[in-house]
Amino acid sequence: AQSVAQPEDQVNVAEGNPLTVKCTYSVSGNPYLFWYVQYPNRGLQFLLKYITGDNLVKGSYGFEAEFNKSQTSFHLKKPSALVSDSALYFCAVRDMGNFNKFYFGSGTKLNVKP
Amino acid sequence: SAVISQKPSRDICQRGTSLTIQCQVDSQVTMMFWYRQQPGQSLTLIATANQGSEATYESGFVIDKFPISRPNLTFSTLTVSNMSPEDSSIYLCVGGGQEKLFFGSGTQLSVL
Repeated sequence: AQSVAQPEDQVNVAEGNPLTVKCTYSVSGNPYLFWYVQYPNRGLQFLLKYITGDNLVKGSYGFEAEFNKSQTSFHLKKPSALVSDSALYFCAVRDMGNFNKFYFGSGTKLNVKP
Repeated sequence: SAVISQKPSRDICQRGTSLTIQCQVDSQVTMMFWYRQQPGQSLTLIATANQGSEATYESGFVIDKFPISRPNLTFSTLTVSNMSPEDSSIYLCVGGGQEKLFFGSGTQLSVL
């Protein structure tokens, strides 16, 4: 069975500092991994995905994520956080047996303080 | 990015009643799904809406409780039937493209 875990309910970081939001996954076969962001009162928005290729994936709003097969992780990163990055972040993996199905992590609330 | 329009955006309902949520997507979307996001929890897939036929439900969700229609490619409805307070949640219409999902802003449902 496919699953993702986000071990932190909340991450606090000061503006200008680097941020990391953690995600680990469990899949059979090669994973299709995604990050989505949910701003207050808005729908989830796609940030980035890893399908194959370079382990460092760049996405929207200056975010990037590093795929690490040995650690089964796909952590979201940004070199310099902005207050406007404060939101709820979801990691997701696509079900390789049922390609229509995505499994989402429990979400991590990112708080960036000025 | 695909446009997903969902309504109502929120509603407060009485126990035992039913609510139908409508979703309209644009032509970039090939698949349509309904998810539930309960307070403080992750997103859970309720079902895949199939055009012109019965929806495909995930384990734990049944057609009698969550009837779904998709009469054409770009429109779907989800009904939450015989509601109880446990059904209070955000219901999300989600469009599937080639590789990623597109989310509506959701319907926040409160059942009293």
